[in-house]
Amino acid sequence: KAGVTQTPRYLIKTRGQQVTLSCSPISGHRSVSWYQQTPGQGLQFLFEYFSETQRNKGNFPGRFSGRQFSNSRSEMNVSTLELGDSALYLCASRAGTSGGATDTQYFGPGTRLTVL
Amino acid sequence: AQSVTQLGSHVSVSEGALVLLRCNYSSSVPPYLFWYVQYPNQGLQLLLKYTSAATLVKGINGFEAEFKKSETSFHLTKPSAHMSDAAEYFCAASGTYKYIFGTGTRLKVLA
Repeated sequence: KAGVTQTPRYLIKTRGQQVTLSCSPISGHRSVSWYQQTPGQGLQFLFEYFSETQRNKGNFPGRFSGRQFSNSRSEMNVSTLELGDSALYLCASRAGTSGGATDTQYFGPGTRLTVL
Repeated sequence: AQSVTQLGSHVSVSEGALVLLRCNYSSSVPPYLFWYVQYPNQGLQLLLKYTSAATLVKGINGFEAEFKKSETSFHLTKPSAHMSDAAEYFCAASGTYKYIFGTGTRLKVLA
């Protein structure tokens, strides 16, 4: 099976702009989660989507949003970029059919976002 | 609420020495526990996972971890470190719809 893919791999934006990141999960996986990884804060959970519905959300401002399409592909959008949004954004997919997160998450390579 | 604590943000070992990375979890019920490894500029790769079938879990690349309920621990070990083990390691616990990650331990292997 092909793994989780993320596009683009690298992105440079300026403050105030908006950005959209894309994630294609492993075939058959219905759950997609997004994480922000920075040296200072580590891995922080942004949100999870399952069957096009947001199932859980972390503590991020409303500038961070996401969506999931019927084919389980997901996009994450950040509006009005700030310098502090510079990070590695990781997407992870799992089957997601169990209520508890017992199935393994598989991660993509990430999108490195730099905000200037 | 669930939480995961990794003791030691940086660990250095000599090549051939024992690797021990510590993880403690906090939960009212035994969670499902995972160890992931991240190499530079890459995503996280699963090393092993505990789902209550056996307390000693063997993973890839010679790593294993033991679930100890009495100590609420899930430490990761490898008998003999290789240079290729240098990476960042994350412990994670899962609950309803959500994973919680520790802050990571960067492992350095000295020649």
